[in-house]
Amino acid sequence: SQQGEEDPQALSIQEGENATMNCSYKTSINNLQWYRQNSGRGLVHLILIRSNEREKHSGRLRVTLDTSKKSSSLLITASRAADTASYFCATDAMYSGGGADGLTFGKGTHLIIQP
Amino acid sequence: NAGVMQNPRHLVRRRGQEARLRCSPMKGHSHVYWYRQLPEEGLKFMVYLQKENIIDESGMPKERFSAEFPKEGPSILRIQQVVRGDSAAYFCASSTTGGRSPLHFGNGTRLTVT
Repeated sequence: SQQGEEDPQALSIQEGENATMNCSYKTSINNLQWYRQNSGRGLVHLILIRSNEREKHSGRLRVTLDTSKKSSSLLITASRAADTASYFCATDAMYSGGGADGLTFGKGTHLIIQP
Repeated sequence: NAGVMQNPRHLVRRRGQEARLRCSPMKGHSHVYWYRQLPEEGLKFMVYLQKENIIDESGMPKERFSAEFPKEGPSILRIQQVVRGDSAAYFCASSTTGGRSPLHFGNGTRLTVT
Protein backbone atom coordinates (compact mmCIF):
# COMPACT_ATOMS: atom_id res chain seq x y z
CA SER A 1 0.00 0.00 0.00
CA GLN A 2 1.10 3.60 -0.54
CA GLN A 3 3.01 5.08 2.37
CA GLY A 4 2.53 8.67 1.26
CA GLU A 5 -0.71 10.06 -0.13
CA GLU A 6 -0.81 13.56 -1.56
CA ASP A 7 -3.85 15.77 -1.50
CA PRO A 8 -5.28 17.21 -3.67
CA GLN A 9 -4.69 15.03 -6.73
CA ALA A 10 -4.77 18.12 -8.92
CA LEU A 11 -4.63 21.85 -8.25
CA SER A 12 -5.03 24.76 -10.66
CA ILE A 13 -4.31 28.32 -9.50
CA GLN A 14 -3.45 31.71 -10.97
CA GLU A 15 0.12 32.86 -11.26
CA GLY A 16 1.15 34.78 -8.17
CA GLU A 17 -1.10 32.85 -5.80
CA ASN A 18 0.18 30.41 -3.19
CA ALA A 19 -0.13 26.66 -3.70
CA THR A 20 -0.47 24.23 -0.81
CA MET A 21 -0.16 20.47 -1.12
CA ASN A 22 -0.55 17.94 1.65
CA CYS A 23 0.90 14.51 2.27
CA SER A 24 -0.21 11.88 4.77
CA TYR A 25 1.70 8.73 5.63
CA LYS A 26 1.18 5.65 7.74
CA THR A 27 4.35 4.51 9.55
CA SER A 28 7.06 6.20 11.57
CA ILE A 29 9.69 7.90 9.45
CA ASN A 30 13.29 9.07 9.58
CA ASN A 31 12.67 11.83 7.08
CA LEU A 32 10.19 13.03 4.48
CA GLN A 33 11.21 14.44 1.13
CA TRP A 34 9.41 16.42 -1.55
CA TYR A 35 10.18 16.03 -5.24
CA ARG A 36 9.00 17.74 -8.40
CA GLN A 37 8.50 16.06 -11.76
CA ASN A 38 8.07 17.94 -14.99
CA SER A 39 6.24 16.13 -17.77
CA GLY A 40 8.43 13.47 -19.37
CA ARG A 41 11.34 14.03 -17.00
CA GLY A 42 12.82 12.47 -13.89
CA LEU A 43 12.12 13.64 -10.37
CA VAL A 44 14.04 16.52 -8.88
CA HIS A 45 14.65 16.70 -5.16
CA LEU A 46 13.24 19.87 -3.55
CA ILE A 47 13.58 19.58 0.18
CA LEU A 48 14.17 17.05 2.97
CA ILE A 49 12.72 17.43 6.46
CA ARG A 50 13.83 15.16 9.28
CA SER A 51 11.47 13.63 11.79
CA ASN A 52 12.71 15.94 14.57
CA GLU A 53 12.07 19.08 12.50
CA ARG A 54 8.74 20.89 12.26
CA GLU A 55 9.33 23.41 9.50
CA LYS A 56 11.86 24.06 6.78
CA HIS A 57 12.27 26.76 4.15
CA SER A 58 14.03 26.84 0.81
CA GLY A 59 13.47 29.92 -1.35
CA ARG A 60 9.74 30.08 -2.13
CA LEU A 61 9.16 26.65 -0.61
CA ARG A 62 7.97 26.01 2.91
CA VAL A 63 7.54 22.50 4.27
CA THR A 64 5.92 21.53 7.54
CA LEU A 65 5.90 18.19 9.28
CA ASP A 66 3.52 16.99 11.98
CA THR A 67 4.65 13.56 13.13
CA SER A 68 1.73 13.25 15.58
CA LYS A 69 -0.70 13.51 12.66
CA LYS A 70 1.67 11.78 10.23
CA SER A 71 1.29 14.58 7.74
CA SER A 72 3.33 17.14 5.86
CA SER A 73 2.52 20.13 3.71
CA LEU A 74 4.38 21.88 0.91
CA LEU A 75 3.66 25.55 0.32
CA ILE A 76 4.86 27.32 -2.81
CA THR A 77 4.53 31.07 -2.46
CA ALA A 78 4.10 33.56 -5.31
CA SER A 79 3.66 30.77 -7.86
CA ARG A 80 5.03 31.04 -11.40
CA ALA A 81 4.07 29.31 -14.62
CA ALA A 82 7.34 27.37 -14.40
CA ASP A 83 6.10 25.75 -11.16
CA THR A 84 3.62 23.72 -13.23
CA ALA A 85 4.59 20.11 -12.49
CA SER A 86 3.67 17.08 -10.40
CA TYR A 87 4.81 17.13 -6.80
CA PHE A 88 5.50 13.97 -4.82
CA CYS A 89 6.19 13.33 -1.18
CA ALA A 90 8.45 10.41 -0.31
CA THR A 91 9.04 8.85 3.07
CA ASP A 92 12.08 7.11 4.47
CA ALA A 93 10.43 4.66 6.86
CA MET A 94 12.06 4.20 10.24
CA TYR A 95 11.99 0.43 10.20
CA SER A 96 13.09 -0.22 6.66
CA GLY A 97 16.23 -2.15 7.37
CA GLY A 98 18.59 0.80 7.10
CA GLY A 99 16.79 2.41 4.20
CA ALA A 100 17.53 -0.52 1.99
CA ASP A 101 14.07 -0.59 0.50
CA GLY A 102 14.30 2.96 -0.75
CA LEU A 103 11.94 5.85 -0.46
CA THR A 104 8.19 5.24 -0.74
CA PHE A 105 6.43 7.71 -3.01
CA GLY A 106 2.85 8.92 -3.12
CA LYS A 107 0.84 9.35 -6.31
CA GLY A 108 1.53 13.05 -6.49
CA THR A 109 -0.31 16.33 -6.84
CA HIS A 110 -0.51 17.73 -10.35
CA LEU A 111 -0.12 21.51 -10.06
CA ILE A 112 -1.11 23.83 -12.92
CA ILE A 113 -0.24 27.51 -12.73
CA GLN A 114 -2.42 29.61 -15.04
CA PRO A 115 -0.53 32.62 -16.47
CA ASN B 1 29.23 17.32 -14.11
CA ALA B 2 26.76 14.86 -15.60
CA GLY B 3 23.74 13.74 -13.65
CA VAL B 4 22.21 10.29 -13.71
CA MET B 5 22.18 9.06 -17.29
CA GLN B 6 19.64 6.57 -18.53
CA ASN B 7 19.40 5.05 -21.97
CA PRO B 8 17.60 4.53 -24.11
CA ARG B 9 14.98 7.23 -23.48
CA HIS B 10 12.37 5.27 -25.38
CA LEU B 11 12.30 1.55 -26.04
CA VAL B 12 9.71 -0.37 -28.01
CA ARG B 13 9.60 -4.15 -27.74
CA ARG B 14 7.23 -6.81 -28.99
CA ARG B 15 5.74 -9.26 -26.55
CA GLY B 16 8.23 -12.01 -25.72
CA GLN B 17 11.35 -9.95 -26.48
CA GLU B 18 13.92 -8.81 -23.94
CA ALA B 19 14.35 -5.25 -22.70
CA ARG B 20 17.64 -3.92 -21.34
CA LEU B 21 17.65 -0.59 -19.55
CA ARG B 22 20.90 1.10 -18.58
CA CYS B 23 21.71 3.56 -15.85
CA SER B 24 24.96 5.37 -15.12
CA PRO B 25 24.82 6.96 -11.65
CA MET B 26 26.23 10.35 -10.79
CA LYS B 27 29.97 10.43 -10.36
CA GLY B 28 30.88 9.30 -6.86
CA HIS B 29 27.52 7.66 -6.18
CA SER B 30 27.64 3.97 -5.32
CA HIS B 31 23.96 3.44 -4.42
CA VAL B 32 21.50 2.82 -7.27
CA TYR B 33 17.73 2.44 -7.11
CA TRP B 34 15.28 1.42 -9.83
CA TYR B 35 11.66 2.58 -9.78
CA ARG B 36 8.72 1.98 -12.09
CA GLN B 37 6.05 4.56 -12.82
CA LEU B 38 2.71 3.93 -14.45
CA PRO B 39 0.70 6.86 -15.94
CA GLU B 40 -0.83 9.10 -13.26
CA GLU B 41 0.86 7.02 -10.56
CA GLY B 42 3.72 7.53 -8.16
CA LEU B 43 6.97 5.64 -8.31
CA LYS B 44 7.08 2.04 -7.15
CA PHE B 45 10.37 0.83 -5.69
CA MET B 46 11.85 -2.17 -7.49
CA VAL B 47 15.44 -2.80 -6.45
CA TYR B 48 18.36 -1.24 -4.58
CA LEU B 49 21.94 -2.07 -5.54
CA GLN B 50 25.45 -1.16 -4.57
CA LYS B 51 28.48 -2.06 -6.62
CA GLU B 52 28.35 -5.80 -7.36
CA ASN B 53 25.64 -6.37 -4.75
CA ILE B 54 21.85 -6.48 -4.71
CA ILE B 55 20.86 -5.02 -1.35
CA ASP B 56 17.07 -5.19 -1.62
CA GLU B 57 15.01 -6.58 -4.50
CA SER B 58 11.75 -6.84 -2.59
CA GLY B 59 9.90 -4.63 -5.11
CA MET B 60 10.94 -6.56 -8.17
CA PRO B 61 8.80 -9.35 -9.68
CA LYS B 62 10.35 -12.74 -8.99
CA GLU B 63 10.20 -13.84 -12.60
CA ARG B 64 11.52 -12.24 -15.78
CA PHE B 65 13.10 -9.25 -14.00
CA SER B 66 16.73 -8.98 -12.95
CA ALA B 67 19.14 -6.20 -12.11
CA GLU B 68 22.87 -5.83 -11.77
CA PHE B 69 25.41 -3.15 -10.96
CA PRO B 70 28.82 -4.47 -11.98
CA LYS B 71 32.16 -3.22 -10.74
CA GLU B 72 32.68 -1.47 -14.07
CA GLY B 73 29.95 -0.01 -16.21
CA PRO B 74 26.33 0.98 -15.77
CA SER B 75 23.58 -0.66 -13.80
CA ILE B 76 21.32 -2.81 -15.97
CA LEU B 77 17.64 -3.62 -15.47
CA ARG B 78 16.72 -6.59 -17.62
CA ILE B 79 13.20 -7.71 -18.43
CA GLN B 80 12.88 -11.02 -20.22
CA GLN B 81 9.87 -12.09 -22.30
CA VAL B 82 8.16 -8.73 -21.94
CA VAL B 83 4.38 -8.50 -21.69
CA ARG B 84 2.08 -5.53 -22.30
CA GLY B 85 1.80 -4.95 -18.54
CA ASP B 86 5.52 -4.15 -18.44
CA SER B 87 4.86 -0.92 -20.39
CA ALA B 88 5.84 1.91 -18.05
CA ALA B 89 8.49 4.50 -17.36
CA TYR B 90 11.49 3.07 -15.50
CA PHE B 91 13.54 5.49 -13.47
CA CYS B 92 16.97 5.05 -12.00
CA ALA B 93 18.20 7.11 -9.07
CA SER B 94 21.51 7.30 -7.29
CA SER B 95 22.76 8.63 -3.99
CA THR B 96 25.91 8.84 -1.93
CA THR B 97 24.67 7.26 1.27
CA GLY B 98 21.55 5.28 0.54
CA GLY B 99 17.98 5.90 1.70
CA ARG B 100 18.72 8.66 4.20
CA SER B 101 19.87 11.13 1.57
CA PRO B 102 18.15 12.78 -1.40
CA LEU B 103 17.98 10.75 -4.58
CA HIS B 104 19.16 12.05 -7.93
CA PHE B 105 17.00 10.75 -10.76
CA GLY B 106 17.63 10.14 -14.42
CA ASN B 107 15.04 11.12 -17.02
CA GLY B 108 13.82 7.56 -17.32
CA THR B 109 13.33 4.97 -20.02
CA ARG B 110 9.83 4.70 -21.43
CA LEU B 111 9.19 1.10 -22.35
CA THR B 112 6.33 0.30 -24.69
CA VAL B 113 5.43 -3.33 -25.33
CA THR B 114 3.40 -3.89 -28.47
